[in-house]
Amino acid sequence: GNSVTQMEGPVTLSEEAFLTINCTYTATGYPSLFWYVQYPGEGLQLLLKATKADDKGSNKGFEATYRKETTSFHLEKGSVQVSDSAVYFCALSDRSRGSTLGRLYFGRGTQLTVWP
Amino acid sequence: DTEVTQTPKHLVMGMTNKKSLKCEQHMGHRAMYWYKQKAKKPPELMFVYSYEKLSINESVPSRFSPECPNSSLLNLHLHALQPEDSALYLCASSQDFGAALQETQYFGPGTRLLVL
Repeated sequence: GNSVTQMEGPVTLSEEAFLTINCTYTATGYPSLFWYVQYPGEGLQLLLKATKADDKGSNKGFEATYRKETTSFHLEKGSVQVSDSAVYFCALSDRSRGSTLGRLYFGRGTQLTVWP
Repeated sequence: DTEVTQTPKHLVMGMTNKKSLKCEQHMGHRAMYWYKQKAKKPPELMFVYSYEKLSINESVPSRFSPECPNSSLLNLHLHALQPEDSALYLCASSQDFGAALQETQYFGPGTRLLVL
């Protein structure tokens, strides 16, 4: 089946620290992979995505590389800011044919808190 | 523009009330989704509409009734809810459902529902 495993949070960092949030997946087909961010009291915003192996998604200083050999899509940022404090969700969309096509499978979410 | 709007932002209702949540997108997307999100959890899929037809109902209780009057609008009618239905209700849209590479979902800000 399809599933996403995210590292447990919460993650607490000082401003300008390096961030890694681990995400691994299991998929029956050929998934697209996503990172969504949810700021307090808001909906989910698409942060970045990758649709095939070795693709790198990037946005606002965040990056993630689709690694098929390790079934991973880890989120990284070189220097976090207080404004990055939010919950980050890794997700996959299975692109193979069948009833699961188009569904999003979410990880549990990782709370990030950045202190000044 | 990747905007999905939802109204109202907040809603408080009694268990005997009838209310409706509204969602709108003007991106020309043909798939629209309702999710329920409890605190500190990922979103849970409730319904999917594809080309204005209900494609998926995730065994949601009948006190939740979706409606898609046209390709830009999605409603969720609420009746006789229970306190455990209190949650953030998120709407999302994508270009298509069941079509690879058109599956990126864009979320609205959500309606925070409290059932007393």
